[in-house]
Amino acid sequence: RKEVEQDPGPFNVPEGATVAFNCTYSNSASQSFFWYRQDCRKEPKLLMSVYSSGNEDGRFTAQLNRASQYISLLIRDSKLSDSATYLCAVPPNTNAGKSTFGDGTTLTVKP
Amino acid sequence: GAGVSQSPRYKVAKRGQDVALRCDPISGHVSLFWYQQALGQGPEFLTYFQNEAQLDKSGLPSDRFFAERPEGSVSTLKIQRTQQEDSAVYLCASSFGTAYNEQFFGPGTRLTVL
Repeated sequence: RKEVEQDPGPFNVPEGATVAFNCTYSNSASQSFFWYRQDCRKEPKLLMSVYSSGNEDGRFTAQLNRASQYISLLIRDSKLSDSATYLCAVPPNTNAGKSTFGDGTTLTVKP
Repeated sequence: GAGVSQSPRYKVAKRGQDVALRCDPISGHVSLFWYQQALGQGPEFLTYFQNEAQLDKSGLPSDRFFAERPEGSVSTLKIQRTQQEDSAVYLCASSFGTAYNEQFFGPGTRLTVL
């Protein structure tokens, strides 16, 4: 099993839809998590940080389920501009540097 | 303010050549990371610096890969005797704090080895 797993998609949704992605992680000691957005041939950009049970920022909500070891990202009222690949990342528990990224979930929002 | 910058943005090398990739982190950022990203996959960790100290190099795939950050700012990733399997996008990221904190990525260097 990979350390961080994501459903690759693609998720194809109409504008205005609500869509959710999950990311499962294997290290039960992980304390914090990040969602990044990556547009085609661009670098990842931080979308949200998740340090406790969850976080909300406008149309975006991230939730953490420690018992089942997954984090989710919910996007409400999808916009065309939300089309991208969404990566989840799990930083290390020690000061070792290895953050582990999932392979991403691709979202396409269609008019 | 200026973000993370990387150069060159594109590099084509013949198999067996040595290449050097440069990263300029955000000013004041203590931590610097190198990742390798293949098409359709997430970034794979290569190495991590805190200031000038290389604290983790567990992700470097072979001894042909070497990274340095001698003054705790600019970093260089060097690949010796490049192979076709080295073709990928090499991303650099920096963080204000430690490896626990959010990272800010540069635009990457797309390396193609012929």
